Amino acid sequence: NAGVTQTPKFQVLKTGQSMTLQCAQDMNHEYMSWYRQDPGMGLRLIHYSVGAGITDQGEVPNGYNVSRSTTEDFPLRLLSAAPSQTSVYFCASSYSSGGNQPQHFGDGTRLSIL
Amino acid sequence: KQEVTQIPAALSVPEGENLVLNCSFTDSAIYNLQWFRQDPGKGLTSLLLIQSSQREQTSGRLNASLDKSSGRSTLYIAASQPGDSATYLCALRSNDYKLSFGAGTTVTVRA
Repeated sequence: NAGVTQTPKFQVLKTGQSMTLQCAQDMNHEYMSWYRQDPGMGLRLIHYSVGAGITDQGEVPNGYNVSRSTTEDFPLRLLSAAPSQTSVYFCASSYSSGGNQPQHFGDGTRLSIL
Repeated sequence: KQEVTQIPAALSVPEGENLVLNCSFTDSAIYNLQWFRQDPGKGLTSLLLIQSSQREQTSGRLNASLDKSSGRSTLYIAASQPGDSATYLCALRSNDYKLSFGAGTTVTVRA
């Protein structure tokens, strides 16, 4: 049982490049979400999904796309990287979007945009 | 919009002292409140989850309280140890099922 797995752990991009951050969970969780964490700020929700085929925007969705074709995977795509997207990105999952289920987090992807 | 504040941003205590970490929030219409621990370079580990209808939760040396009327939660860690050094974050799940996080309190326990 690996929990929530994020790849890559580190990435450096040039402005304008695109890339996909991978997130996979093996706990059969319905609810998955992406956050970014910046210094001195709390985690901010980018996008979330309440099940396969269903996604919605969070607090800071601009510049990011997501899809949820399977229960296990929830990739985050940066369309055209900008220096403002330099951050640590966390993927999280829980058994359901409602209820009192704790969220499980991956170890993060540290992304630098030059 | 839910605003979550954690004060102080950093705290240093000698080993054995009890820790008191504060979390305040502006909207009392919450579903639950969760306390997390984050070690450097790592993800978040859930410590305690308090449902909206509960006043406190306990796990070992950890105790978390919730007072919705005053918009406050407190995490108590008894008899702190160097291994308790980490950043502690609180997060509130609102009734639209989204989490709002505080910026965290970084704790250093000196041996």
